[in-house]
Amino acid sequence: KAGVTQTPRYLIKTRGQQVTLSCSPISGHRSVSWYQQTPGQGLQFLFEYFSETQRNKGNFPGRFSGRQFSNSRSEMNVSTLELGDSALYLCASKGTSGLQYQETQYFGPGTRLLVL
Amino acid sequence: AQKITQTQPGMFVQEKEAVTLDCTYDTSDPSYGLFWYKQPSSGEMIFLIYQGSYDQQNATEGRYSLNFQKARKSANLVISASQLGDSAMYFCAMREFSGSARQLTFGSGTQLTVLP
Repeated sequence: KAGVTQTPRYLIKTRGQQVTLSCSPISGHRSVSWYQQTPGQGLQFLFEYFSETQRNKGNFPGRFSGRQFSNSRSEMNVSTLELGDSALYLCASKGTSGLQYQETQYFGPGTRLLVL
Repeated sequence: AQKITQTQPGMFVQEKEAVTLDCTYDTSDPSYGLFWYKQPSSGEMIFLIYQGSYDQQNATEGRYSLNFQKARKSANLVISASQLGDSAMYFCAMREFSGSARQLTFGSGTQLTVLP
């Protein structure tokens, strides 16, 4: 099976712009989660989508939003970019068999966003 | 309160030796899962091993094993016969299965360097 894919891999934006990142989960996985990783704050949970519905949300401002499509692909959007939004954005997918082990999330390679 | 604690910011190990990376956690949920991920400099988070709170035996996956001490709330990762390719950042993470907050919570990570 192909792994989780994320596009683009690298992105440079300027303050005030907006950005959209894309994530394609492992085939058959319906849950997609997004994380932000920075040197100062570490890995922080942004949100989780399941069957096109946001199921869980982390403590981030409303500038961060996401959505999921019927094919489970997900996008996250950050509006009015700030310098502090520079980070590695990781997407993860997982299966939903109901077994505890299936709670394992598999991550994509990430999108490195630099805000100037 | 911090839920996952990794007290070793950096570790060095000689090639072919074993190394233990520490992880302690805090939760009142009786049902939870513990995960270890490896993050090379490329950025992708690679799943290594999983331990469920109800699992009776310590998890093993090839050269990786998890020393799970439930009463002490510790889940240390043991890497046997270290290889140069094991040099990376290692993250311990937890997912609580009860309640609504079911996202992965990560520790701050341990940077492992394998010396030739």
